[in-house]
Amino acid sequence: AQSVTQPDIHITVSEGASLELRCNYSYGATPYLFWYVQSPGQGLQLLLKYFSGDTLVQGIKGFEAEFKRSQSSFNLRKPSVHWSDAAEYFCAVGGGSYIPTFGRGTSLIVHP
Amino acid sequence: DVKVTQSSRYLVKRTGEKVFLECVQDMDHENMFWYRQDPGLGLRLIYFSYDVKMKEKGDIPEGYSVSREKKERFSLILESASTNQTSMYLCASSQQLTDNQPQHFGDGTRLSIL
Repeated sequence: AQSVTQPDIHITVSEGASLELRCNYSYGATPYLFWYVQSPGQGLQLLLKYFSGDTLVQGIKGFEAEFKRSQSSFNLRKPSVHWSDAAEYFCAVGGGSYIPTFGRGTSLIVHP
Repeated sequence: DVKVTQSSRYLVKRTGEKVFLECVQDMDHENMFWYRQDPGLGLRLIYFSYDVKMKEKGDIPEGYSVSREKKERFSLILESASTNQTSMYLCASSQQLTDNQPQHFGDGTRLSIL
C-alpha cells in the first residue's frame, strides 16, 4: 500500500524568503508524485508532477520539486515566497491502486 | 481548461435530511471522485467512478452513496444526514484510471448539518 507523510502541519516564512515543504512517500516501485495547492475557499490546483526522467521538476507559480529515491522524498521548493503563496499544500503519490493517496497537508503562512 | 463545477459552495441542512451534492465536469473524463476534507485529516476518498453507472467504495463510504447516470455528472448522496458529516466536500475528475493522470478539482461544497 502507498502512503504519504507531510511532517510539517504549519510552516511560517517571511515574504521574499526561500521555502521548502517536505514530503515523504512509501511505495515499493517507482511512484507517481504530485504537489497540489489549495487557496482559501477553493479546490486543489496541480502545481507539478513527477512520473519519470529528470528528478528536478518545474511547476507553475515558480515552484519546483526534487525526487530523491534514496530518501523517498519529493520536497517542494520556491526561492522567494510571495504573500499570495499563503495556502494549503498537498503532496500525493500514485501507485498500484491507481487512486492517488494524499498527505494531510501543510499550511503555509507568509509574514510581510 | 478542465472545469469541474460543484453545484453549491455552501449548504446548510438538518439532521435526518437527504442531501444531494452535484458535480459536473466538461472534459469527457472517465473518472470522477468524491473526497471529504477535514482539518488535520487531509483528503479522504469517499467514492469514485470509472464509468457511467460504475462505482467503487473509497476509504470512508459509510453513510454515503453515489450516482453516475451520465458521464459528466457525479452525485454524492447523504441518505440521512448526521452532524458528523459536516465537512468540506471536494469533487474531482481525471482522464484515465492510470497513475500518471492528475486530478482536476472543483471549488468544494462546505456542508453544515445542524
